[in-house]
Amino acid sequence: AQRVTQPEKLLSVFKGAPVELKCNYSYSGSPELFWYVQYSRQRLQLLLRHISRESIKGFTADLNKGETSFHLKKPFAQEEDSAMYYCALSTQGGSEKLVFGKGTKLTVNP
Amino acid sequence: NAGVTQTPKFQVLKTGQSMTLQCAQDMNHEYMSWYRQDPGMGLRLIHYSVGAGITDQGEVPNGYNVSRSTTEDFPLRLLSAAPSQTSVYFCASSSYSPGTANTEAFFGQGTRLTVV
Repeated sequence: AQRVTQPEKLLSVFKGAPVELKCNYSYSGSPELFWYVQYSRQRLQLLLRHISRESIKGFTADLNKGETSFHLKKPFAQEEDSAMYYCALSTQGGSEKLVFGKGTKLTVNP
Repeated sequence: NAGVTQTPKFQVLKTGQSMTLQCAQDMNHEYMSWYRQDPGMGLRLIHYSVGAGITDQGEVPNGYNVSRSTTEDFPLRLLSAAPSQTSVYFCASSSYSPGTANTEAFFGQGTRLTVV
């Protein structure tokens, strides 16, 4: 069965420091991977998807099939980055039947 | 642009009561789904639908029922509430495009349900 693992429940960094949120997955096929973010008192929203190879709000994520990882990175964290981050996997090729990790709560301290 | 709307936002039920969580979307999305979010568990898929008249079970379907009579609405029914169903429930919708990763799941604001 497919599984997404986010090993850090909590992550705390200082403003301006680099940040990396880890995500590992298990799936024998070719998955589609996403990062979703939930800011305080807001709904869950898409941050980025691996297929787009884009940088959103300074965040990037590279799919490493050899290590089955999809870590989220930002070189200089900002206080407004504080949020709950979820890594998600789809085996359907779209946004259907997403399998989520347990989430990492990022706190960026001033 | 309402997106995905869930009602109610909060609900307290007694064990054994039944209720329906409402979900509506105005984006003409074919795919809709329900997740529950428990502390330390992430989001888990309860039921999903790929179009009107078509529903299927997700990872944790027991104790829940769904129907999809229109494209816009996808209600979740708790048949006989149990304390184990205390959770935050999220409805999501997306365009149905298997094999196309350029889609995005849009989420409602959540319903916090407590069963006592």
